[in-house]
Amino acid sequence: DTAVSQTPKYLVTQMGNDKSIKCEQNLGHDTMYWYKQDSKKFLKIMFSYNNKELIINETVPNRFSPKSPDKAHLNLHINSLELGDSAVYFCASSQGTGRGSYEQYFGPGTRLTVT
Amino acid sequence: TQLLEQSPQFLSIQEGENLTVYCNSSSVFSSLQWYRQEPGEGPVLLVTVVTGGEVKKLKRLTFQFGDARKDSSLHITAAQPGDTGLYLCARPSTLGRLYFGRGTQLTVWP
Repeated sequence: DTAVSQTPKYLVTQMGNDKSIKCEQNLGHDTMYWYKQDSKKFLKIMFSYNNKELIINETVPNRFSPKSPDKAHLNLHINSLELGDSAVYFCASSQGTGRGSYEQYFGPGTRLTVT
Repeated sequence: TQLLEQSPQFLSIQEGENLTVYCNSSSVFSSLQWYRQEPGEGPVLLVTVVTGGEVKKLKRLTFQFGDARKDSSLHITAAQPGDTGLYLCARPSTLGRLYFGRGTQLTVWP
C-alpha cells in the first residue's frame, strides 16, 4: 500500500507546453504539500493545502497552479513550461500544520525535464 | 528564511567506518528533523529532536541537538552500504512548512 503516490514518475516535455502532476495520499491526512528539488538536491516548499484550502504559496510563479479537489488529492498544473522548471517535484502530506514538528510523508517524486 | 548549513556536502567512506554530519544555523529552533532520501525516492523522516542537548538513537545512528538549539549532528557507527543516501536536516516552521538544508550525500562502499 503506497501512502503517497504521484503520477507520472517521469515527464519530458518541450518549452511552452502545459503539464499536470497528480498526487494522492491514503493516510487520511488533512495537509498536503508540493516541494521542488533542483539539480543540486535542494528541496524547497512551494505550496500547502489544508482541508482543500491553500495555506502556503511560497512566492512561486503564477504559471504554477495547485488544485485540491478533496483532502486526499493535490494536483499541480504548470503552464508555459520553462527550462528552469526542470526538477523533481515531490508531493507530501502530514497529519496537521502546527509547529509541533509533524512528520511529513513524501511521495516518490516526479522528474520533470523541459527541453 | 533562516538558513540551515549542512556539512560536509559529500562524504564517501568504506563500510565499517564511522562518520558524523552536521547541520548548523545562526538561529534558535524549536525543533529539528532529519530525513534520509534514497535515489529515486522521497525523503523519509528519521528523527525529530526538540530539547536542547537531546540525544536520540536509532540503531547505529545517533542524533544530537545542540544545547543552544542552533545545531544538530548525526553520527553513524560502522556504516553499511545500506546507509548510502542524501541526509537532510529540516526546520519545521509555521503552517507545517519545512525548510531544508542542502543535504549531505553519503556513499558507503562495500
